[in-house]
Amino acid sequence: KAGVTQTPRYLIKTRGQQVTLSCSPISGHRSVSWYQQTPGQGLQFLFEYFSETQRNKGNFPGRFSGRQFSNSRSEMNVSTLELGDSALYLCASSPSRNAGDTIYFGEGSWLTVV
Amino acid sequence: GQNIDQPTEMTATEGAIVQINCTYQTSGFNGLFWYQQHAGEAPTFLSYNVLDGLEEKGRFSSFLSRSKGYSYLLLKELQMKDSASYLCAVTGYSSASKIIFGSGTRLSIRP
Repeated sequence: KAGVTQTPRYLIKTRGQQVTLSCSPISGHRSVSWYQQTPGQGLQFLFEYFSETQRNKGNFPGRFSGRQFSNSRSEMNVSTLELGDSALYLCASSPSRNAGDTIYFGEGSWLTVV
Repeated sequence: GQNIDQPTEMTATEGAIVQINCTYQTSGFNGLFWYQQHAGEAPTFLSYNVLDGLEEKGRFSSFLSRSKGYSYLLLKELQMKDSASYLCAVTGYSSASKIIFGSGTRLSIRP
């Protein structure tokens, strides 16, 4: 079955703009999490969605938001982009919210802010 | 709080064995994952340990000691394609997120 799909793969934005990233989880998976990965900070948890509700949120400013649709697809949005938002944004899906569920990552969206 | 420590970089020789250690301190613990991530690619699942002991999966093995807050990933018969970052991650019922990742260990294999 298809893996986690993220779009777009690469994008360049200007400071102050906003961006929306999309994630389609593995079929049947209902939990979607988002991570930001930068060389200096590693993988940082952004938020988790399950059944269209945000269940957990990491330590990021309110400029970072997300949502999940009834088909479990998810989007994340970053408003008023800053240079420091340049990173790889990874989406991961898992079947449920069980702590032992393996999470499967998408290929990520490379965001460059200039 | 949550804290996961693993070495930043390691180097090993093709055909040899390497052990990547991970220590953790979390407010709740359920299990520990290891993921492999090649440069420019997404992390891929390697192993998941819940109980103490060693789990072997081909050339890769993972060990967990819950009482010591310690795990290691053992890679045998190293191949050049094993050059990658290896991420240790823990799950805990009381953690703010489902999985907390360490910063990763960048493993370089030399011929």
